Amino acid sequence: AQKVTQAQTEISVVEKEDVTLDCVYETRDTTYYLFWYKQPPSGELVFLIRRNSFDEQNEISGRYSWNFQKSTSSFNFTITASQVVDSAVYFCALSAGAEGKLVFGAGTILRVKS
Amino acid sequence: EAGVAQSPRYKIIEKRQSVAFWCNPISGHATLYWYQQILGQGPKLLIQFQNNGVVDDSQLPKDRFSAERLKGVDSTLKIQPAKLEDSAVYLCASSLVASFSYEQYFGPGTRLTVT
Repeated sequence: AQKVTQAQTEISVVEKEDVTLDCVYETRDTTYYLFWYKQPPSGELVFLIRRNSFDEQNEISGRYSWNFQKSTSSFNFTITASQVVDSAVYFCALSAGAEGKLVFGAGTILRVKS
Repeated sequence: EAGVAQSPRYKIIEKRQSVAFWCNPISGHATLYWYQQILGQGPKLLIQFQNNGVVDDSQLPKDRFSAERLKGVDSTLKIQPAKLEDSAVYLCASSLVASFSYEQYFGPGTRLTVT
């Protein structure tokens, strides 16, 4: 069975601070995909990144970066120099195996204060 | 490009009443999903359509929930009769490729409150 754990329920930071959101996943499949989605107050989930299990390279996109480590089954997300507009709920998700359904973590609420 | 459209945005009903939600996916997206998101949790898949056929409805409570996508474009999700535990946000998503390995595009959701 697939499982995603986001241990941080809520994080509050002051603008311009760096913040890391943790994601730990469980799967027995060797082929799987990991995702991060952002859910702003408007409600829709916004796709941020997809990673497959064979690509452990870290990725940077502007202020966002992702650290994928198979050895610890983690796919952490860092926002550098956070801004108020980054305030949202962030979800990590996993798709694996023949079923392949997208399994979401419980989400981390990020509050960035000015 | 227009995103995924959903209506209504909010709905309040009493238990045992029925309710329907509508979703129009991104043009050209053959795959459509309905998710249920209970407060404080991540979305949970209810049903997946590929064109107008059901691919996976294993997590849909079929005694009270039904969904259809008659012409392979927009879709309707119905609950009849509603229970208190159905209070949640119902999210519709679509994707170009019928695979969970690809990103999905989500609508704003319908927030249902059952009293």
